[in-house]
Amino acid sequence: SQQGEEDPQALSIQEGENATMNCSYKTSINNLQWYRQNSGRGLVHLILIRSNEREKHSGRLRVTLDTSKKSSSLLITASRAADTASYFCATPRGNTDKLIFGTGTRLQVFP
Amino acid sequence: DAGVIQSPRHEVTEMGQEVTLRCKPISGHNSLFWYRQTMMRGLELLIYFNNNVPIDDSGMPEDRFSAKMPNASFSTLKIQPSEPRDSAVYFCASNPSGYTDTQYFGPGTRLTVL
Repeated sequence: SQQGEEDPQALSIQEGENATMNCSYKTSINNLQWYRQNSGRGLVHLILIRSNEREKHSGRLRVTLDTSKKSSSLLITASRAADTASYFCATPRGNTDKLIFGTGTRLQVFP
Repeated sequence: DAGVIQSPRHEVTEMGQEVTLRCKPISGHNSLFWYRQTMMRGLELLIYFNNNVPIDDSGMPEDRFSAKMPNASFSTLKIQPSEPRDSAVYFCASNPSGYTDTQYFGPGTRLTVL
């Protein structure tokens, strides 16, 4: 079963608006990662947040983690058409290298 | 750094044929992962290696699938015989090792089995 479930499944916004995607997971984690996938391409790592962190920033990206609710959010501020992609959260399975990916959010940013 | 390299990028074959997908991980990375992505099932981990040793192959769908990593710079995923339901995009990824590490994905191989 999927460890991470993203919400919403799809999101359409205008350029300049903010986009927020959420991820819920089931078991305790050491870290949570967000990846981006452009159509026809492999996944690209965006940001990793550790279980002892609550918020992390990287450029226009802001990630939060609430371990009590087993949830994370990814905020993209001032979105651009080039941000159009699918976004996935991923969590390690136990103390292993194995990552379990969520179902993804398809983001469409209209110019 | 060339990143993770996969070949071929596209493969079209007929049912019953053998298919071999190839992957070269990033130099120095100790872990290698094979994933399959479909619209219906999303991204599934098939198998992963650490220091060339298979650690977890619980995601391999059936005996028709096999994977090898003969050395630190090369891995193969073989499907024999292939079936139409194997049609998917197959990704290889590597990481330096350790569960806190991010994974670096290759561009994928789009497999179509007719």
